[in-house]
Amino acid sequence: DAKTTQPPSMDCAEGRAANLPCNHSTISGNEYVYWYRQIHSQGPQYIIHGLKNNETNEMASLIITEDRKSSTLILPHATLRDTAVYYCIVRASWGDDKIIFGKGTRLHILP
Amino acid sequence: EAGVVQSPRYKIIEKKQPVAFWCNPISGHNTLYWYRQNLGQGPELLIRYENEEAVDDSQLPKDRFSAERLKGVDSTLKIQPAELGDSAVYLCASSLDRRTDTQYFGPGTRLTVL
Repeated sequence: DAKTTQPPSMDCAEGRAANLPCNHSTISGNEYVYWYRQIHSQGPQYIIHGLKNNETNEMASLIITEDRKSSTLILPHATLRDTAVYYCIVRASWGDDKIIFGKGTRLHILP
Repeated sequence: EAGVVQSPRYKIIEKKQPVAFWCNPISGHNTLYWYRQNLGQGPELLIRYENEEAVDDSQLPKDRFSAERLKGVDSTLKIQPAELGDSAVYLCASSLDRRTDTQYFGPGTRLTVL
């Protein structure tokens, strides 16, 4: 079973920041938080990952709470092309831990 | 750089027929994964290869599913015979090795069993 909880769907206006929450209250000390997204008719695409500190790359920012029990993916200026299902995943970076996808959050960007 | 290539993109067959899916991973990627994605669900891992060796096939229904990765590059996933419940998208992914953060996914093969 997935170790994360996400809202099934969210809407965001084009040009605004999209903030996607994720709860992972049972996360272990050696587990990272990963985000992937899946645009319609495509395979999942890696976005970002982090352990404790906030992370930023060209696609998004990841904010992890101090207790690491939840996180938020931020798309700073959402466009219509960001419409997708976003998956929050926790996994260990070492060993045989698998990526277990939940149902994700379906993000609709509204024009 | 070319991404993960899968073929065919779409396949429609009648139940009890065999079907095969092909995957060509990113050059140099040692780890290859096959996932199945049912409608409205996230992908589920079927099998993982480290080079030629299948190191995790616990979720592969072995009575009808088989996979191979000869020479540690391309891989084929086969279903024989197909059942109605096998209708899904079959995704292939690869990574540099199992410890690497990023898995790169192909576009998938959408299988419809009638």
